[in-house]
Amino acid sequence: EPEVTQTPSHQVTQMGQEVILRCVPISNHLYFYWYRQILGQKVEFLVSFYNNEISEKSEIFDDQFSVERPDGSNFTLKIRSTKLEDSAMYFCASRTDVNTEAFFGQGTRLTVV
Amino acid sequence: KNEVEQSPQNLTAQEGEFITINCSYSVGISALHWLQQHPGGGIVSLFMLSSGKKKHGRLIATINIQEKHSSLHITASHPRDSAVYICAVRSANTGNQFYFGTGTSLTVIP
Repeated sequence: EPEVTQTPSHQVTQMGQEVILRCVPISNHLYFYWYRQILGQKVEFLVSFYNNEISEKSEIFDDQFSVERPDGSNFTLKIRSTKLEDSAMYFCASRTDVNTEAFFGQGTRLTVV
Repeated sequence: KNEVEQSPQNLTAQEGEFITINCSYSVGISALHWLQQHPGGGIVSLFMLSSGKKKHGRLIATINIQEKHSSLHITASHPRDSAVYICAVRSANTGNQFYFGTGTSLTVIP
């Protein structure tokens, strides 16, 4: 069964460092998403991406964040200068179109120290 | 302001019990999703609904668009059903954005 894969599963980084979280969506999917979940809190939408551009983003997705689909298979989330409050589980999701179910990756746990 | 409210927040049930988790939302939606989050953190999509009712195995999901309410039912619950169940709605106005409930933590005791 096809699945969304995320790497790494856990990343520890020093405050101020740049991190890149990687996702490989399901191959025929066209819509891609990043979400985050701070420990003990609900899942929050970060950004959606379609046709090689951002289609929507939340208030959380400020200038420190960027997304890219560099090679047609990977979908990355970059945080330029991490802050302690960026510590969270980051989930990638994809779907074929807006009217179909979204498939989620297993998440990357980011710990900023 | 919570666009999506779930109840209960925590639920403990005996194996075999019938379980209901409720979700109410305040925004216009194009679809509602029920998700299952395992203790390790991974999220699995259970259902996507825009009307009526769907059934998959022991799981049943219903939605009432007029009342802005959905329920997830688990029949003959089993300890392996223990997880956090999350209701998420896709806004009708911003088609790509999802609003998530805080989740219902279910523990099924053998």
